Amino acid sequence: AQSVTQLDSQVPVFEEAPVELRCNYSSSVSVYLFWYVQYPNQGLQLLLKYLSGSTLVESINGFEAEFNKSQTSFHLRKPSVHISDTAEYFCAALYNTDKLIFGTGTRLQVFP
Amino acid sequence: GAVVSQHPSRVICKSGTSVKIECRSLDFQATTMFWYRQFPKKSLMLMATSNEGSKATYEQGVEKDKFLINHASLTLSTLTVTSAHPEDSSFYICSARPTSGRFYEQYFGPGTRLTVT
Repeated sequence: AQSVTQLDSQVPVFEEAPVELRCNYSSSVSVYLFWYVQYPNQGLQLLLKYLSGSTLVESINGFEAEFNKSQTSFHLRKPSVHISDTAEYFCAALYNTDKLIFGTGTRLQVFP
Repeated sequence: GAVVSQHPSRVICKSGTSVKIECRSLDFQATTMFWYRQFPKKSLMLMATSNEGSKATYEQGVEKDKFLINHASLTLSTLTVTSAHPEDSSFYICSARPTSGRFYEQYFGPGTRLTVT
């Protein structure tokens, strides 16, 4: 069955430290991958996406993710986090349909 | 741009009553809207896909007679939880795809917390 796995439910980190949020997906011939961010009391917002082409994708606020087909991973990274990055992060996949399949989310908590 | 609202943000109802949740696309038209349910520490689970002017498509295991979906206009979809029971307590999230949007585009509402007592 198609699935997305986020093994880390919470990731605490100090400000200005690097962070990696892990995401693995079930293998498929065709898959599109997404990271969404949810700030308190707000809806999910698309952070970045991989559709095709370059396997490294970047967001406007310094996050990046790399599509790794051999490891079926799409980990999210940021070299230096800010307090304002504190949020819930969801990895999601689209397998040949318009149905997004979500992971269980990772709570990123940035401490001063 | 691309804002989706949900109303109410929180609702508490008694067992056996019905509750309606509204999902609106504020600055775009959406032919397709999605309804998700989120349990604590669980991922968002797609309940149904609604298309303006036609019947909703429900995911396997979702009772269509219990979760009534109406998508009567290009900016409004409603989810009615009929004869609610405590096990229906959950966080319900909608999303909307712009009519002119790409296949992967979905804009999410902030969610509605339903508590059935």
